[in-house]
Amino acid sequence: QSALTQPPSVSGSPGQSVTISCTGTSSDIGGYDYVSWYQQHSGKAPKVMIYDVTKRPSGVPDRFSGSKSGNTAYLTISGLQAEDEADYFCCSIVATYTDVVFGGGTKLTVL
Amino acid sequence: QVQLVESGGGVVQPGRSLRLSCAASGSTFSSHGMNWVRQAPGKGLEWVAIIWYDARREDYADSVKGRFTISRDNSKNMLYLQMNSLRVEDTGVYYCARVFGYHCDSWGQGTLVTVSS
Repeated sequence: QSALTQPPSVSGSPGQSVTISCTGTSSDIGGYDYVSWYQQHSGKAPKVMIYDVTKRPSGVPDRFSGSKSGNTAYLTISGLQAEDEADYFCCSIVATYTDVVFGGGTKLTVL
Repeated sequence: QVQLVESGGGVVQPGRSLRLSCAASGSTFSSHGMNWVRQAPGKGLEWVAIIWYDARREDYADSVKGRFTISRDNSKNMLYLQMNSLRVEDTGVYYCARVFGYHCDSWGQGTLVTVSS
């Protein structure tokens, strides 16, 4: 199973919005509404920020939102804050409903 | 959520074996599937294996199939990963993560496995 495709890096200034894309195929992102996004600060464990494409766990700021169009999923972070600087990984289940595939990760820099 | 603590990592030679453990707190461990996910140094996340809540089914990434075995002991709130025939490319931090629906809602801090001669 090939990894999902993410841009290696994105950046934005405090208060701005950024969108991270995650491209897969009809066998993963395009076939199911089970995309999740994880935030990972350096040296820390990943933390789920979005699941089932658009849902936000309790405690995650509403500045974080998710969407999907065809075989591509998106994570949008509005009102950027310094603490948002981290790596972000997308994830989707694949056809078996058990296997999952991650994206290569995107490093977000808050300028 | 649940607290997850991995252990068992270390330095091992290629071809040797290692067993990772993941201790879970709380009473809901037996109600959830569990994943192992790894991260090579400076790289992205890679799903390794999953085991059903009742241990009746497991599945593996192609890169570890036939070499790694995931198991659990619900009476002890423990998850395991037996890694045999280790390769240099198996080096990385190994995380255990709880499955909730179709995502991972809780992650451990990880344990580092280094495969080197």
